[in-house]
Amino acid sequence: AQTVTQSQPEMSVQEAETVTLSCTYDTSENNYYLFWYKQPPSRQMILVIRQEAYKQQNATENRFSVNFQKAAKSFSLKISDSQLGDTAMYFCAFMASTSYGKLTFGQGTILTVHP
Amino acid sequence: EPEVTQTPSHQVTQMGQEVILRCVPISNHLYFYWYRQILGQKVEFLVSFYNNEISEKSEIFDDQFSVERPDGSNFTLKIRSTKLEDSAMYFCASGRDRGPGTEAFFGQGTRLTVV
Repeated sequence: AQTVTQSQPEMSVQEAETVTLSCTYDTSENNYYLFWYKQPPSRQMILVIRQEAYKQQNATENRFSVNFQKAAKSFSLKISDSQLGDTAMYFCAFMASTSYGKLTFGQGTILTVHP
Repeated sequence: EPEVTQTPSHQVTQMGQEVILRCVPISNHLYFYWYRQILGQKVEFLVSFYNNEISEKSEIFDDQFSVERPDGSNFTLKIRSTKLEDSAMYFCASGRDRGPGTEAFFGQGTRLTVV
C-alpha cells in the first residue's frame, strides 16, 4: 500500500514571492505517477502538475515546478511569482501504474497568498 | 470548459436513512470514481467504475455502498442505512481513459451530514 504525507498543514507567502510545498511518499511500486492538485475555496480540485516516476527531468507548468527526488521519495511543489489566485488547498497524490485512476492523497496544505 | 457536476452541494440525512449522491461526469469520459474526505482527514478512494461495472474498490466500500450509471449521463453513489461516521465530503471524478497517469477531473463535492 502507498502512503503520501504532507507535513505542512498551512503555508503563507507574499504575492510575487516563491513558496515550496513538501510531499513525501512511500511505495514499493517501480512505476508510478505523482500529482499536485489545487482546490480553491468552494471549488473543485484541478490538476496543477504531473510527474512520471521514470522521467528524471522535473515537470514544469508555467509558474509551477516540482523537485522530484525518487530515491528520497520526495515530491515538492514550487510556486514562483505567487498570485492571489494561488490561494487554495494543495494536495499531493500518488497513482501506481498498475492501479489505473486510483489516487492516494496526502493530507493537503492550505496555502494563503497575501497581497 | 466541461466540468464534473455534483448535486446536491450539501445533504443532511437522518441516521439509518438511505441517501443518493449524484454526479454528472464530463460527457466523453468513460471512467468514473468516488472519493470521500472525512473532516480533518485525507481524501480517500472509494470506488472506480468502467463499462457498467466496478473496476476497483477500497475496504471502505462495503455492502452499505453501491454505484450506478443509470442513464448514460449520471453516476450515482448510494449509501444505505447511513451512519454518523458516513458524514464527509464526497467527491466524484471522471477520466477520459484509464492509461497510467491519466488526469482525473473532480466535481466540487457533496457534503453529507448524518444526524
